[in-house]
Amino acid sequence: DTEVTQTPKHLVMGMTNKKSLKCEQHMGHRAMYWYKQKAKKPPELMFVYSYEKLSINESVPSRFSPECPNSSLLNLHLHALQPEDSALYLCASSPRVTETQYFGPGTRLLVL
Amino acid sequence: KNQVEQSPQSLIILEGKNCTLQCNYTVSPFSNLRWYKQDTGRGPVSLTIMTFSENTKSNGRYTATLDADTKQSSLHITASQLSDSASYICVVSPTLNNAGNMLTFGGGTRLMVKP
Repeated sequence: DTEVTQTPKHLVMGMTNKKSLKCEQHMGHRAMYWYKQKAKKPPELMFVYSYEKLSINESVPSRFSPECPNSSLLNLHLHALQPEDSALYLCASSPRVTETQYFGPGTRLLVL
Repeated sequence: KNQVEQSPQSLIILEGKNCTLQCNYTVSPFSNLRWYKQDTGRGPVSLTIMTFSENTKSNGRYTATLDADTKQSSLHITASQLSDSASYICVVSPTLNNAGNMLTFGGGTRLMVKP
């Protein structure tokens, strides 16, 4: 298995909802990442997990809560989001931090 | 401040023609440079990765060059196809020991190939 999978592909949620984005890889990678990407902009790093431990949090609001249950899974829990949080959320993984990252297809999130 | 600048921002070419995309960076110390292709609404896909000691790397019709002295890279696409229409993103990584810094993304070049 040489890919990163993300679910769901699309998500529409209200500002009072609680939802979760899921990311999975079975390449044995020990670094996993969450990015946020707005239209026509490059991805912006949100979180980095290295060996299942949060190593980087790029000043992301607390309404985004990451979780790494094991070396293959990465979740992003969403609560009380704002319309400006609507974006493409990309998950990536790499063998180790700063090595080539493999991106998932993304989850397109719309907050109403 | 680490920066990656790409040019042009957008480009329209006819199918079958060649094109070259540019990337200038100020990331230091430097570990490697990657070119990614990103289709609209999809995740980026790695095309090439080069370390500071490599000058050229090819992947099919894609050829990347790197001049570590001038901190410039280019991506040359040969015999373009309609499926090449996408954003091309230049990404620079600092040295592995500099764990506090992560990848620096360029703004991308949006390429449109017309029939």
